[in-house]
Amino acid sequence: IAGITQAPTSQILAAGRRMTLRCTQDMRHNAMYWYRQDLGLGLRLIHYSNTAGTTGKGEVPDGYSVSRANTDDFPLTLASAVPSQTSVYFCASSPAVENTGELFFGEGSRLTVL
Amino acid sequence: GQNIDQPTEMTATEGAIVQINCTYQTSGFNGLFWYQQHAGEAPTFLSYNVLDGLEEKGRFSSFLSRSKGYSYLLLKELQMKDSASYLCASMDSNYQLIWGAGTKLIIKP
Repeated sequence: IAGITQAPTSQILAAGRRMTLRCTQDMRHNAMYWYRQDLGLGLRLIHYSNTAGTTGKGEVPDGYSVSRANTDDFPLTLASAVPSQTSVYFCASSPAVENTGELFFGEGSRLTVL
Repeated sequence: GQNIDQPTEMTATEGAIVQINCTYQTSGFNGLFWYQQHAGEAPTFLSYNVLDGLEEKGRFSSFLSRSKGYSYLLLKELQMKDSASYLCASMDSNYQLIWGAGTKLIIKP
């Protein structure tokens, strides 16, 4: 693994189903983020984690949950998917939340909820 | 409220110069970022400005005016591979990035 890996890369899901998007990084970064990207809108922060064991809510957290059991993994769970959660989801990391350098992104997970 | 404005789409010719503008309004300010995103791919970091002035990095330069809440990305000697979306993002007082919707740059031969 080099950088950030997301899985799955693409998924079609029935409304009401539970789904977990996986994110793993091997850079030992403290801060990790989940964004969603929708056409015509900027990247919107769903949840973030400043360090292992802590999480926080971003701009659009409703319907999503996260956990940060260790430094490397930051899964995003949709407890009961709805069509408005159809989006491209990006996981990202940085050395620290006060980072003023590069934010490293995974390749994205394209989720379609029918 | 917090807001980032940038043009939705721009068109330029191969070999030419293009300037992509961004205005921002955020709660506090810890710097202005530019990212490039090719269609279907992840954003990749281009530049970071926190002080007023121009930062040059090869064919790409980024400018910041904090007093005007304004930045631009300047791309010189345009190549076809520069066709992408360019995302402007301002970091607020909580070190959270507020993203613009992106400017889709179309390069024509």
